[in-house]
Amino acid sequence: QQQVKQSPQSLIVQKGGISIINCAYENTAFDYFPWYQQFPGKGPALLIAIRPDVSEKKEGRFTISFNKSAKQFSLHIMDSQPGDSATYFCAAESNFGNEKLTFGTGTRLTIIP
Amino acid sequence: DSGVTQTPKHLITATGQRVTLRCSPRSGDLSVYWYQQSLDQGLQFLIQYYNGEERAKGNILERFSAQQFPDLHSELNLSSLELGDSALYFCASSVEVTNSPLHFGNGTRLTVT
Repeated sequence: QQQVKQSPQSLIVQKGGISIINCAYENTAFDYFPWYQQFPGKGPALLIAIRPDVSEKKEGRFTISFNKSAKQFSLHIMDSQPGDSATYFCAAESNFGNEKLTFGTGTRLTIIP
Repeated sequence: DSGVTQTPKHLITATGQRVTLRCSPRSGDLSVYWYQQSLDQGLQFLIQYYNGEERAKGNILERFSAQQFPDLHSELNLSSLELGDSALYFCASSVEVTNSPLHFGNGTRLTVT
């Protein structure tokens, strides 16, 4: 059972454009939603995270939009740069029970000049 | 640099064998997680330890086991290896038990031949 569904699987965006990656979850107990960025040969690194008490969080060019009623959240990368080319994972976790950080399947983002 | 150290970086072994993967968490982090990353399964949570005790178990096979030692380093033991066990194995650490950023090592790439 895939508890966090991520799309698209791959994404190509022109430099300066907006990259958008979407995730949907099923478990209403999830209360922490981070995004991780992974470069080849490296482990994932936390990019930005949101809790369900806010609908949006922005850090620099990266924004998380959160829709609690739809059980969806998305990552927007503004003014996308070639250095943003990486694999992005959304994730979700519950503060209760045994639901440890569950990752989406990842989106391979390529920014072209 | 995340501060999490994993050894070895690469491991090639034959089916039926047993291997041990080692992880040193970031200084001050009490919680250690193990994840398996394969092309078709994404990042799968295996097991979590907190200050030496098992806290949560995910999709970890019975052939796999782990422990966290008093100095907080952790080992993941994989036995009776099968071809399908070939994957990247990541260790991550965090300060808290839940809902805190995970800091990932660069992984151990296991190839079973």
